[in-house]
Amino acid sequence: QQQVKQSPQSLIVQKGGISIINCAYENTAFDYFPWYQQFPGKGPALLIAIRPDVSEKKEGRFTISFNKSAKQFSLHIMDSQPGDSATYFCAASMYTDKLIFGTGTRLQVFP
Amino acid sequence: GAVVSQHPSRVICKSGTSVKIECRSLDFQATTMFWYRQFPKKSLMLMATSNEGSKATYEQGVEKDKFLINHASLTLSTLTVTSAHPEDSSFYICSARDGGGGKLFFGSGTQLSVL
Repeated sequence: QQQVKQSPQSLIVQKGGISIINCAYENTAFDYFPWYQQFPGKGPALLIAIRPDVSEKKEGRFTISFNKSAKQFSLHIMDSQPGDSATYFCAASMYTDKLIFGTGTRLQVFP
Repeated sequence: GAVVSQHPSRVICKSGTSVKIECRSLDFQATTMFWYRQFPKKSLMLMATSNEGSKATYEQGVEKDKFLINHASLTLSTLTVTSAHPEDSSFYICSARDGGGGKLFFGSGTQLSVL
């Protein structure tokens, strides 16, 4: 019940396209859903996060869509750029508790 | 954004030696810090949770005597890998929770190679 399932494992997108990464969770007590971006040899960096009281949150080119009834949330990267090429992790937690990470998605954006 | 400083970024040591990794929150007080381990192309595995002034809570399967965690102040936590062996070689990452906002920020990681 603590798992967070993430898909796809890898994603190839052309420059300017939309990258979509999906996550699903089981524990209905989770109330904090962040997305992290990680470059090789670096720690994860917080991109954007959402709470279950809203269905969508947008920050620049990054949007989280949240479907509470389906227990799913997704990251949309609009106008994808080569600099977005990285590994993306979704995560979930009860607000002050430990984060449970998804398995990661390796995104490659080609010019 | 909040900054978490982790040192060293890379360490190579001989089998049997101990290695200490430091994690500092530079511009906020972190009541809780987390230590993760990451294998190549894999997700982050939580090793332990440390709260300032109390003993760390280790995840199942993590040897507390091998991975010593100290959270002596609101801005510093250390992970000591004792009697390191080649199988301990990995990328170790700390994170700190901003007590004010609750967000979790990560250090830049430490690549440990045990020869």
